[in-house]
Amino acid sequence: SQTIHQWPATLVQPVGSPLSLECTVEGTSNPNLYWYRQAAGRGLQLLFYSVGIGQISSEVPQNLSASRPQDRQFILSSKKLLLSDSGFYLCAWSVLAGMGEQYFGPGTRLTVT
Amino acid sequence: TQLLEQSPQFLSIQEGENLTVYCNSSSVFSSLQWYRQEPGEGPVLLVTVVTGGEVKKLKRLTFQFGDARKDSSLHITAAQPGDTGLYLCAGPPQSGTYKYIFGTGTRLKVLA
Repeated sequence: SQTIHQWPATLVQPVGSPLSLECTVEGTSNPNLYWYRQAAGRGLQLLFYSVGIGQISSEVPQNLSASRPQDRQFILSSKKLLLSDSGFYLCAWSVLAGMGEQYFGPGTRLTVT
Repeated sequence: TQLLEQSPQFLSIQEGENLTVYCNSSSVFSSLQWYRQEPGEGPVLLVTVVTGGEVKKLKRLTFQFGDARKDSSLHITAAQPGDTGLYLCAGPPQSGTYKYIFGTGTRLKVLA
């Protein structure tokens, strides 16, 4: 069965510090991978998606970046965090031939102080 | 642009009551998914509806896809505190795109 991992689960970082969040998927090959951000009590904002190694599409211009160094690894980064980067970050995967289901990781709660 | 609007936005009910959440669009979807998200966790897929008019049941939860595949509903019978959470409907990307369409969400609180 497929499993998706995210770490860390919780992170408190000062403004201006770098960021690296990691997501890995097990049990499937060549998944589509996604990074979302969710503000408190709000819906999901798509940040990045990737359809293959090294292929990244950005949905929202900001100081975040994403990379996909391996088929089942997706990394969200920032060189200098802003207060507005605080939120709940979710990684998700899907398969191209599926009926549209998307599967989410447990999330990372980021607080920028 | 495809949009999914959910109603109500917030719902607070007593344990044992029934409720219905709606997910509406002016666009046709090939399928719709329903997710439940508990505080501090990622959304969990509950069901996918594919055929117009389809009804699926998951214990006390009943999901229906509209005949025209433009809307869906989630009915919960005898709600329990464990049903508390954020309910999201979602549609798959249009052909040639990769962006999922998420509904605005319904936050449900079931009081014991």
